[in-house]
Amino acid sequence: RKEVEQDPGPFNVPEGATVAFNCTYSNSASQSFFWYRQDCRKEPKLLMSVYSSGNEDGRFTAQLNRASQYISLLIRDSKLSDSATYLCVVNNVGSYIPTFGRGTSLIVHP
Amino acid sequence: GAGVSQSPSNKVTEKGKDVELRCDPISGHTALYWYRQRLGQGLEFLIYFQGNSAPDKSGLPSDRFSAERTGESVSTLTIQRTQQEDSAVYLCASSWTAQETQYFGPGTRLLVL
Repeated sequence: RKEVEQDPGPFNVPEGATVAFNCTYSNSASQSFFWYRQDCRKEPKLLMSVYSSGNEDGRFTAQLNRASQYISLLIRDSKLSDSATYLCVVNNVGSYIPTFGRGTSLIVHP
Repeated sequence: GAGVSQSPSNKVTEKGKDVELRCDPISGHTALYWYRQRLGQGLEFLIYFQGNSAPDKSGLPSDRFSAERTGESVSTLTIQRTQQEDSAVYLCASSWTAQETQYFGPGTRLLVL
């Protein structure tokens, strides 16, 4: 089993839709989690950190479920500009090398 | 403030030649990472620097790859005797310390003919 797994998609959704992605991780000692966004032919950029209590930033909500070992990203009222690949990143206790998921592709269409 | 910068942005080279890629991290960031991303693939860890500690080279794919970092500043990734399979985007990222948010540079797109 891969250490961090994501559904590659693509998720094709119309503007205004709500879409959610999950990312599962295998190491129960994982301690910090992030969602990054990567546009085509661009570098990854931090979208948001994922806190134990969950966190929200505008249309974006991130949740952590330690019991089931996954994190989620919810995007409400999708915009065309949300089209990108969303990368899940996990840091494990005692390791300074983050593990990146392969990413989930989102395509928002008119 | 200035972000992570990388140069060159694009590099085309012939098989067998050596290339050197440069990364300027954000000032004050002690941790620096190099990754490789092949077309349509995920990020592949190459090497990690933390301050003046010995680097973690566990991700380097072969002995043709090497990297250096001067203190907590510039880093260079060198690929000797390039092969076509080395064609990829090479991304550099820095962070205040390990496990904190990483800030990526724009990458160097390497094409080996």
